[in-house]
Amino acid sequence: RKEVEQDPGPFNVPEGATVAFNCTYSNSASQSFFWYRQDCRKEPKLLMSVYSSGNEDGRFTAQLNRASQYISLLIRDSKLSDSATYLCVVWMNYGGSQGNLIFGKGTKLSVKP
Amino acid sequence: ETGVTQTPRHLVMGMTNKKSLKCEQHLGHNAMYWYKQSAKKPLELMFVYSLEERVENNSVPSRFSPECPNSSHLFLHLHTLQPEDSALYLCASSHLTNPLNAFFGQGTRLTVV
Repeated sequence: RKEVEQDPGPFNVPEGATVAFNCTYSNSASQSFFWYRQDCRKEPKLLMSVYSSGNEDGRFTAQLNRASQYISLLIRDSKLSDSATYLCVVWMNYGGSQGNLIFGKGTKLSVKP
Repeated sequence: ETGVTQTPRHLVMGMTNKKSLKCEQHLGHNAMYWYKQSAKKPLELMFVYSLEERVENNSVPSRFSPECPNSSHLFLHLHTLQPEDSALYLCASSHLTNPLNAFFGQGTRLTVV
């Protein structure tokens, strides 16, 4: 079983649509969770952290369900500039400050006019 | 300008060539990483350097040889690569005390012919 699984998409949506991405992780010891954004031929950039209580940043809402090992990202009122690949990322701590970021393959979003 | 700079941005090399990828960070970080991103695969961690010492090597073939001469610079030396090594190679850096907050360079897109 893959460590971090995402629907690869692509998700093709019109401007203004609401779109949701889902992610599951296999290791219940995963400690921290993030969504990264990667534009075509660019590096990944941190979009937002994901907290157990859920958190919102403007049009973006992230949710975490530790019991189900499930993470989600909701984008409301999508813009053309939201077109990118969204990477689900978990942090596995191995002791002290040692650990790894484990990346999903990403979900591609294309917002059309 | 990004705090993590990679050169070259694009590289085409033959299977018998020797080349090096360079990464430089201007963020005062003390941990640096090499990742590989192949088409339709998640980012894979290759090497981790902490305070200029290699702390992780994820079963990477010996044809990839990292070097970290100081906390600001990281190299990946390449020799006798295979076509399947063609990928985007991403460098990242972070503080040891906050390894979750990694900043990525723009990557080197490598094509092995």
